[in-house]
Amino acid sequence: DAKTTQPPSMDCAEGRAANLPCNHSTISGNEYVYWYRQIHSQGPQYIIHGLKNNETNEMASLIITEDRKSSTLILPHATLRDTAVYYCIVRTNLGGTSYGKLTFGQGTILTVHP
Amino acid sequence: KAGVTQTPRYLIKTRGQQVTLSCSPISGHRSVSWYQQTPGQGLQFLFEYFSETQRNKGNFPGRFSGRQFSNSRSEMNVSTLELGDSALYLCASSTGGEYTGELFFGEGSRLTVL
Repeated sequence: DAKTTQPPSMDCAEGRAANLPCNHSTISGNEYVYWYRQIHSQGPQYIIHGLKNNETNEMASLIITEDRKSSTLILPHATLRDTAVYYCIVRTNLGGTSYGKLTFGQGTILTVHP
Repeated sequence: KAGVTQTPRYLIKTRGQQVTLSCSPISGHRSVSWYQQTPGQGLQFLFEYFSETQRNKGNFPGRFSGRQFSNSRSEMNVSTLELGDSALYLCASSTGGEYTGELFFGEGSRLTVL
């Protein structure tokens, strides 16, 4: 799986958009970008994933650059409950060594302030 | 529908003992993966089971083992416990098959080894 680089921490004001960047310059053509978050003392929670097109769901939007070397997770209206560690993960979905395996880095600690 | 259920949530053992942790996946999910989370090493993949067979494994010693039952429930066992085995053990389930998309995590079992 390709390596990802994320800032160690970010702050955001409640109600504002939180934009979390991720660099994955060695991503290969069949690798997806996944985002998970982990709120303190809970299991990681799946947020969103994408291959090359921008994606949106009820939780967030994922913007992937055209060359796929970086992406941004957008939480449109951050709340205090969005304070968590956010992990950007790159992986293939096609079995083999990826079966059930996510390679977590250190992630970005997002703190949402009142 | 019910999420991933892990038991017990908390347990304390002493060095040299063994421990068994249980995971019930989301109904209909056939893949179960296990992860270890420690402050020093972060989240690390242990192994993954699908249809009662281990399909993938991480870099952990043989003291760490697992199994999956015909109803997709899974257990992991750690024998001859060491202080360094103190961690949050997380289980995740997915639909399985060749396409391994998003994983859904339980709340974890927090093991303390004294």
